Amino acid sequence: EPEVTQTPSHQVTQMGQEVILRCVPISNHLYFYWYRQILGQKVEFLVSFYNNEISEKSEIFDDQFSVERPDGSNFTLKIRSTKLEDSAMYFCASVFGTSGYNEQFFGPGTRLTVL
Amino acid sequence: AQSVTQPDIHITVSEGASLELRCNYSYGATPYLFWYVQSPGQGLQLLLKYFSGDTLVQGIKGFEAEFKRSQSSFNLRKPSVHWSDAAEYFCAVAPPRGNQFYFGTGTSLTVIP
Repeated sequence: EPEVTQTPSHQVTQMGQEVILRCVPISNHLYFYWYRQILGQKVEFLVSFYNNEISEKSEIFDDQFSVERPDGSNFTLKIRSTKLEDSAMYFCASVFGTSGYNEQFFGPGTRLTVL
Repeated sequence: AQSVTQPDIHITVSEGASLELRCNYSYGATPYLFWYVQSPGQGLQLLLKYFSGDTLVQGIKGFEAEFKRSQSSFNLRKPSVHWSDAAEYFCAVAPPRGNQFYFGTGTSLTVIP
């Protein structure tokens, strides 16, 4: 069964460093998303991406964040200068259809720890 | 502003017992409603969703949920819980315009033999 994959499963970085979280969505999906979950808190929407551009973003997704689909398979989230409060689980999701309300398929997440 | 409340942080039930997980939402109109389950080390798996129509929706793994507009609720139920149901459960809403999901804080379910 097709699935969304994410690498790495756990990333440890020093404050101020850049990190890139990678996701491989399901191959025929058209919409892509990033969410984060700070430990003990709710899953929060960061950004959605369609047709090679951002379609929606939350107030969390500031200038320190960027997303890219560098090739036909990967979907990346970059944090330019990490802060302690960026420590969280980051989930990627993808959707097949032209409507955002088809099922969102989630990856297993990347746990980011900023020291 | 949209919000989702899951009042129960942690629930413990005996195997074979019935289960109800609560979800309340705050939104100006009826949003689209979802329940997801997350097993340790896994991503979020969709259990069921409500867009419109019949207010009682059936999902996978024997789960169902009932939408009650008057109570702004979308509670998840299962008549007989199995040990494999132990996981984290998230309620989510999406407004009819836009594709941004709003999640609750989750309910952790423990199943005891």
